[in-house]
Amino acid sequence: GAGVSQSPRYKVTKRGQDVTLRCDPISSHATLYWYQQALGQGPEFLTYFNYEAQPDKSGLPSDRFSAERPEGSISTLTIQRTEQRDSAMYRCASSADLNEKLFFGSGTQLSVL
Amino acid sequence: GESVGLHLPTLSVQEGDNSIINCAYSNSASDYFIWYKQESGKGPQFIIDIRSNMDKRQGQRVTVLLNKTVKHLSLQIAATQPGDSAVYFCAGPFGGTSYGKLTFGQGTILTVHP
Repeated sequence: GAGVSQSPRYKVTKRGQDVTLRCDPISSHATLYWYQQALGQGPEFLTYFNYEAQPDKSGLPSDRFSAERPEGSISTLTIQRTEQRDSAMYRCASSADLNEKLFFGSGTQLSVL
Repeated sequence: GESVGLHLPTLSVQEGDNSIINCAYSNSASDYFIWYKQESGKGPQFIIDIRSNMDKRQGQRVTVLLNKTVKHLSLQIAATQPGDSAVYFCAGPFGGTSYGKLTFGQGTILTVHP
């Protein structure tokens, strides 16, 4: 695609529910990243994929967070048993390879009530 | 409940002025630094980058300066325009296995008045 696409744009859920966020990277981009961005702060790294491999998930806040990229293109970020503190903007970014610049999507704004 | 305000550094300039946005870092591990621009409601957008073997790099209307001795990075925007109004972040891949595993700085709000 022309840019990084994320869906949904907004997600409101009740505490305790599971949510899944989707990222469609720029086509042919090998590397895909998930970031979490709180209001007024810079994005914070969660995890990344190189094709379908997930070399680093050190930024995931807890084991309630998981991500997949089974075919090396589209990725999903799942948060189980959501908590209010999970409310944030979740941003996906992709790059052509490991040492190329990132292109960010518009994000999914998650609100946990 | 109690709300906590986050106070980002701000810079307010007149259209046509030059702007300088600063960033200090504490980790010497990165050999690469990037400036991002984030407009309201959008994701961060790459502006310019610099490798640690350089101390200056110029782009279109933007210049990045790197002083490794004092661990300081700056972004200079020439002839600032209202469209430059945004939050600006410096970032670097500190200790990561990928240049995309970035640590972002605090951010500076730039407001350009016509």
